[in-house]
Amino acid sequence: EVQVVESGGGLVQRGGSLRLSCVASGFTYWMGWVRQAPGKGLEWVASVGQDGREKYYADSVKGRFAISRDNAKNSLYLQMNSLRAEDTAVYYCVRDRGFYSFESWGQGTLVAVSS
Amino acid sequence: QSALTQPPSASGSPGQSVTISCTGTSSDVGGYNYVSWYQQYPGKAPKLMIYEVTERPSGVPDRFSGSKSGNTASLTVSGLQAEDEADYYCGSFAGNSNAVFGGGTKLTVL
Repeated sequence: EVQVVESGGGLVQRGGSLRLSCVASGFTYWMGWVRQAPGKGLEWVASVGQDGREKYYADSVKGRFAISRDNAKNSLYLQMNSLRAEDTAVYYCVRDRGFYSFESWGQGTLVAVSS
Repeated sequence: QSALTQPPSASGSPGQSVTISCTGTSSDVGGYNYVSWYQQYPGKAPKLMIYEVTERPSGVPDRFSGSKSGNTASLTVSGLQAEDEADYYCGSFAGNSNAVFGGGTKLTVL
C-alpha cells in the first residue's frame, strides 16, 4: 500500500508564506496537491511531472504557489506565498495514476490563514 | 475552470441502486475519457473509486460502476449497503493540464 504523509500546515497571517511537505512511497509518478476548504468540495491545486520539469497550477494559485519535488528523498513540496483567507483548507498530497486520477491520498494538513 | 455539477444529495434503501450524475462541458467531461469518482467519509481523505470513466482500482467492490454520455458522467452504486453512506465527488481532466472537481453529493442510505 502506498504511504503518503503531509506536514507543514499551520496558522499564518494573510500575506504570509508557508511550505508544505509530503513524503510518499512509490514516488515514480506524477504528484500533486488537492485542497478542501472547511465544509466544501475538492479543488485541484497543482501537479508536477515525474522529473519535476512539468508543473501546472490552478488559476486560483498561479503566481503565488510553487510545486516542486525531490525524487532522491521521495518528497513533494508546495511553497505558498501571498496567502489569502480563501486559501484556508486541508491540503492533500496525492499520487496521480494518470490524467488527474488521484489514487493515493495523505491524511491532509490544515492551513489556516487569518485576516 | 468551472466546477462540475453534481446533485447535493442522493439516497436509497439497502439493496437498491442509486446513480449520481456529474455534468460538465465538452472541455472536460465530454472531451476526454478521464473522469474519476471519489468516496469520502467525514474527517477522512477521499478514496479513488472509479478512474477513466469505467475502471475500478483493485479492491473497490464491483457494486460501483461508472459511465458517461456526452457531457454527463454517472456513478452507480448497486446493492446499496450502509457503509456506502458518504460524500462522493467526480473529477475530470479539463485540458491544458488542468483538473476540475464536482461540488460533491451526499449519499444517504435510508
